[in-house]
Amino acid sequence: SAVISQKPSRDICQRGTSLTIQCQVDSQVTMMFWYRQQPGQSLTLIATANQGSEATYESGFVIDKFPISRPNLTFSTLTVSNMSPEDSSIYLCSVPISPRTANSTDTQYFGPGTRLTVL
Amino acid sequence: ILNVEQSPQSLHVQEGDSTNFTCSFPSSNFYALHWYRWETAKSPEALFVMTLNGDEKKKGRISATLNTKEGYSYLYIKGSQPEDSATYLCAFHPLTGGGNKLTFGTGTQLKVEL
Repeated sequence: SAVISQKPSRDICQRGTSLTIQCQVDSQVTMMFWYRQQPGQSLTLIATANQGSEATYESGFVIDKFPISRPNLTFSTLTVSNMSPEDSSIYLCSVPISPRTANSTDTQYFGPGTRLTVL
Repeated sequence: ILNVEQSPQSLHVQEGDSTNFTCSFPSSNFYALHWYRWETAKSPEALFVMTLNGDEKKKGRISATLNTKEGYSYLYIKGSQPEDSATYLCAFHPLTGGGNKLTFGTGTQLKVEL
């Protein structure tokens, strides 16, 4: 199993500022995912962070708004830039269960999340 | 856009009650259906991965069934306990397209009261 920690666990931020969320995994992983869950909405994938290459963003998410760093195989950051109240969400990082087997079929380990409130 | 729906949105039961809730998903292009349990302030925890039509999986008092032909899965909890209080998420994994990414439902929030 993988142990994933996130910092901060929660924050309250002012409109127009930026927040960087850190995700640390206790083992080396190739792929890390960043999700968010807005109030009343489903868990939505923002981007896939690959070590050694640019992150891959999902439709509706752009690098200028959510820059991602992946300096090594155990760590990633997601920045929420120029925040507005609509960015209030829980942000989670996750990694695929490895090694992938027929039983794992891309099941993921998740971090505990960062609860962000933007005023 | 894939449509993954869960019902009910929330549920309050008494300790000892058995309960169940539903996840509906596209019946075509199916590869796997995942169930997660997400307790407040904790990480979502994988419960089941289901791949075959008619699958039934069990983990303690929790079990799940899968019908890929009609596109639904049921999650059952027998003899609910307060520690079962959590949000239960299902996620659809398509066979092709979508880049192997999971599409989550909005979850069923379960509260078990003493």
